[in-house]
Amino acid sequence: AQSVTQLGSHVSVSEGALVLLRCNYSSSVPPYLFWYVQYPNQGLQLLLKYTTGATLVKGINGFEAEFKKSETSFHLTKPSAHMSDAAEYFCAVRGRSGAGSYQLTFGKGTKLSVIP
Amino acid sequence: KAGVTQTPRYLIKTRGQQVTLSCSPISGHRSVSWYQQTPGQGLQFLFEYFSETQRNKGNFPGRFSGRQFSNSRSEMNVSTLELGDSALYLCASRRTDRNTEAFFGQGTRLTVV
Repeated sequence: AQSVTQLGSHVSVSEGALVLLRCNYSSSVPPYLFWYVQYPNQGLQLLLKYTTGATLVKGINGFEAEFKKSETSFHLTKPSAHMSDAAEYFCAVRGRSGAGSYQLTFGKGTKLSVIP
Repeated sequence: KAGVTQTPRYLIKTRGQQVTLSCSPISGHRSVSWYQQTPGQGLQFLFEYFSETQRNKGNFPGRFSGRQFSNSRSEMNVSTLELGDSALYLCASRRTDRNTEAFFGQGTRLTVV
């Protein structure tokens, strides 16, 4: 079974400041990890993903995340926040149930506010 | 290239009614998954279809059902609607069952009154 914990349901940062959104996961098998962003009344857009290989993953809009197996973490960062980054962010882990099937387990989400 | 299309975008239904939501995946994609998003429970997996077969089902009552057609379009149905079924229903598609990346539609906002 898989689970995801996102620390902080709401994070506020000043424009230009570092963005750090925390995600810890639990998985009984090697995980695939994802970060999605959701704007109001919209679907989910993939920011980045970790499957195998390099543990530092770069995504769109200047975001990156580092997979740390020893800490079971996959925190999302961005060096300098922009007003357009205000949205809700979801961390997800891929589970596996049956041959080839696919199920994402999501965290509860973190709403990011950017203060001018 | 068109993305995942969900129709309708908004829907208001009365308790006890049934509803059908539609999802057209990205052209060439054969896997479709459905998720329910509510403020209290967050995003929860409903089911996944691949090549017209249900591959996996989440922990939802039998009132929630789905199907996939030969053109990969999918529908989900909820019968005997309850107030708690009010949610954003999201559909995601993948090219094959080996792809790791799922593309989400904009969702259907269902309100049960």
